[in-house]
Amino acid sequence: DTGVSQDPRHKITKRGQNVTFRCDPISEHNRLYWYRQTLGQGPEFLTYFQNEAQLEKSRLLSDRFSAERPKGSFSTLEIQRTEQGDSAMYLCASSSGQGARQETQYFGPGTRLLVL
Amino acid sequence: GDSVTQMEGPVTLSEEACLTINCTYTATGYPSLFWYVQYPGEGLQLLLKATKADDKGSNKGFEATYRKETTSFHLEKGSVQVSDSAVYFCAVGGNTPLVFGKGTRLSVIA
Repeated sequence: DTGVSQDPRHKITKRGQNVTFRCDPISEHNRLYWYRQTLGQGPEFLTYFQNEAQLEKSRLLSDRFSAERPKGSFSTLEIQRTEQGDSAMYLCASSSGQGARQETQYFGPGTRLLVL
Repeated sequence: GDSVTQMEGPVTLSEEACLTINCTYTATGYPSLFWYVQYPGEGLQLLLKATKADDKGSNKGFEATYRKETTSFHLEKGSVQVSDSAVYFCAVGGNTPLVFGKGTRLSVIA
């Protein structure tokens, strides 16, 4: 079990460009979550999947953001037409997804995005 | 919706001092409560959790007790070390998206 992995770890882009991040959850975990963390704040929920189904999207997820989990394994988060306000750490987490109230989410190392 | 309020830092302590970081929450139903720790440049690591009232979570000398009557989950450690320097986040959730506090930065000096 290698834990949750994310790629890339760092991304610098210019305003207006598109970026895509990847998350590989812990093997056999059915649930996958995306969070965003800005400097000095706690993580804020963006969206999550149960297998390949996207179950919930936060109002923080503007129409420039899209997430997929096509085969119920890895997930991608794409930001189109990036803005400076998108600069943040993007965190991925996974959990077993068995529906138990006491489920634990395990986090990856994050992708730090800087939009110039 | 659910919310978490935790003590804002930064907190600076000398090595071997006692630590308490306060956390209170509002939530519907019967959520689980978590403390996560974040070291510089890294993601979040689960420190401890509690899943029902009066449960005590513990790990690496840290403890927190799920107090439903006061809706609190305060983090405590009897003797901190320099290696405990990090940002600590209280969170509420479980099989739903987690709601986090703003984090408390702890610095321990030798």
